[in-house]
Amino acid sequence: GAVVSQHPSRVICKSGTSVKIECRSLDFQATTMFWYRQFPKKSLMLMATSNEGSKATYEQGVEKDKFLINHASLTLSTLTVTSAHPEDSSFYICSASRGTGDSGEAFFGQGTRLTVV
Amino acid sequence: QKEVEQDPGPLSVPEGAIVSLNCTYSNSAFQYFMWYRQYSRKGPELLMYTYSSGNKEDGRFTAQVDKSSKYISLFIRDSQPSDSATYLCAMSDPSDSWGKLQFGAGTQVVVTP
Repeated sequence: GAVVSQHPSRVICKSGTSVKIECRSLDFQATTMFWYRQFPKKSLMLMATSNEGSKATYEQGVEKDKFLINHASLTLSTLTVTSAHPEDSSFYICSASRGTGDSGEAFFGQGTRLTVV
Repeated sequence: QKEVEQDPGPLSVPEGAIVSLNCTYSNSAFQYFMWYRQYSRKGPELLMYTYSSGNKEDGRFTAQVDKSSKYISLFIRDSQPSDSATYLCAMSDPSDSWGKLQFGAGTQVVVTP
């Protein structure tokens, strides 16, 4: 199977600080990774599409300067929440696609629960 | 109007019953259809995926896609308490980035012993 590892699973930070979340594809090369945000009892909201070696594509309404995405290799993408505020508290999930084959499925990490105090 | 509509539930069924879930969508460009299961505070887990119209069966799970009606379904036979989770439908357009998905709201399922 395709395994995606996300770290940390939970983080608490002080308001004004920055937090980095890592997303790794463990057994395949991910040409594209995606970052989602999920509010309690709500569906996943796509924040941005991350392509290896190029700038991320952000969805409308997502602040690119606040949510910095780096996809430096085919197995690692990072999301940095800069100058975090309590309203940034949420569940962040990454997914990765192999970008090949005959299906468009994506594989998800375990998610990161961010709490900003 | 959302591109993908899914009743959020909750849907409560007794153990052993068939769970029936469905989604409707408006974008005729969607070709790949997936069902994910998500336990509380965990990442979604891929259960089933289908390409275009048709049925697919895997153990207790059956996925159906009717593109003419823009309607997809997931059936879970012989439901167990461990099936209690949120089930999300997702779909993708082949002309879009590989793996870029549009999700339904998710249906919370509760299987009671």
